Amino acid sequence: DAKTTQPPSMDCAEGRAANLPCNHSTISGNEYVYWYRQIHSQGPQYIIHGLKNNETNEMASLIITEDRKSSTLILPHATLRDTAVYYCIVRFTSGTYKYIFGTGTRLKVLA
Amino acid sequence: NAGVTQTPKFRILKIGQSMTLQCTQDMNHNYMYWYRQDPGMGLKLIYYSVGAGITDKGEVPNGYNVSRSTTEDFPLRLELAAPSQTSVYFCASSSGSWKDTQYFGPGTRLTVL
Repeated sequence: DAKTTQPPSMDCAEGRAANLPCNHSTISGNEYVYWYRQIHSQGPQYIIHGLKNNETNEMASLIITEDRKSSTLILPHATLRDTAVYYCIVRFTSGTYKYIFGTGTRLKVLA
Repeated sequence: NAGVTQTPKFRILKIGQSMTLQCTQDMNHNYMYWYRQDPGMGLKLIYYSVGAGITDKGEVPNGYNVSRSTTEDFPLRLELAAPSQTSVYFCASSSGSWKDTQYFGPGTRLTVL
């Protein structure tokens, strides 16, 4: 499975967009990009995933570069409740569906 | 629909004791997973299962055992607890489809003294 690189921490002002980058330069053509977040010490929560097109849902947007070597998770209007650790994960589109978690980005939303 | 449930929420063990962490899901998912998370770190996969009767090792399986006799349950067994097993344990499940997403339980916080 491809490895991912994320900045260890970021701050964002409440109400502003939070843009969380992820580098996955060794990603292969049959690997998805997934984003999860973990609030405090709860179980991780699914946010969004994509293969090569940009994706949007009610929580966030995912922008994947054309060469697929990096992606950005966008929280359009960050709130204090979005303070969490955000994990970028890549996994194959078939097989065992195993995830390899890195250490993620600790996002702190400031009032 | 309770999702993924784990018991107990907290447990303190003495070195050498054994215990079973319980995990149950009610979403009829074929795939189930056990992770551990040490302080300040990401999650590490211990064991996973792709269906009843089928299990396989993850990244950090030493010191643990699993079984999968039903679709719903995936217990994790610690035979001889060691301080290095102090961690938070998360169970997860997924459907195993191409758009698979994992659903996580609330975790079990285990301390071995």
